[in-house]
Amino acid sequence: EAGVTQSPTHLIKTIGQQATLRCSPISGHTSVYWYQQALGLGLQFLLWYDEGEERNRGNFPPRFSGRQFPNYSSELNVNALELEDSALYLCASSPRMEGQGPQFFGPGTRLTVL
Amino acid sequence: AQTVTQSQPEMSVQEAETVTLSCTYDTSESDYYLFWYKQPPSRQMILVIRQEAYKQQNATENRFSVNFQKAAKSFSLKISDSQLGDAAMYFCAYRGGATNKLIFGTGTLLAVQP
Repeated sequence: EAGVTQSPTHLIKTIGQQATLRCSPISGHTSVYWYQQALGLGLQFLLWYDEGEERNRGNFPPRFSGRQFPNYSSELNVNALELEDSALYLCASSPRMEGQGPQFFGPGTRLTVL
Repeated sequence: AQTVTQSQPEMSVQEAETVTLSCTYDTSESDYYLFWYKQPPSRQMILVIRQEAYKQQNATENRFSVNFQKAAKSFSLKISDSQLGDAAMYFCAYRGGATNKLIFGTGTLLAVQP
């Protein structure tokens, strides 16, 4: 069974640009989660999508947005990039209505803002 | 709000020995899950073990086991017969309530000495 995949592996942008990160969940999983792992800030929840809808959002500004497609894959968009956005962005998936079971993670996208 | 605390930033263990990583959490919820994830240098977050709060029996997965003390809100991970491949950052995580997000501790970096 294929795991969660993310692309690209690395992304280098400059201040003010937009970044788009992509995630494909495990087959059969309908929920996709995004987390930011920034140096010194730990792992922080960004967004949760399920069945194409945004279900929950972490404490991040509106320039962090995303969407989920009919095939359950997801995109994270970060507009007006700032230096502090440099981080590892992890995507995770889980089956819908699994209660409080685990989330399974992808390998991450390393975003560097120069 | 729920919080997860890992008080050991770094730990070291000799190969084949046993090591215990500590985790405490704070919550007012009665139904929740706890997890240990491992993040090796490759960055892929890997699920190590899970514990449902309503289960009194401690979870075990091969060489990995937990000591779940619900009243004390403690959830430690024991690694037996440590192997070089166990070297990684270990994160304790909580998932509960309707938000569906994982709340992570700050991690413990485990080194395994040959």
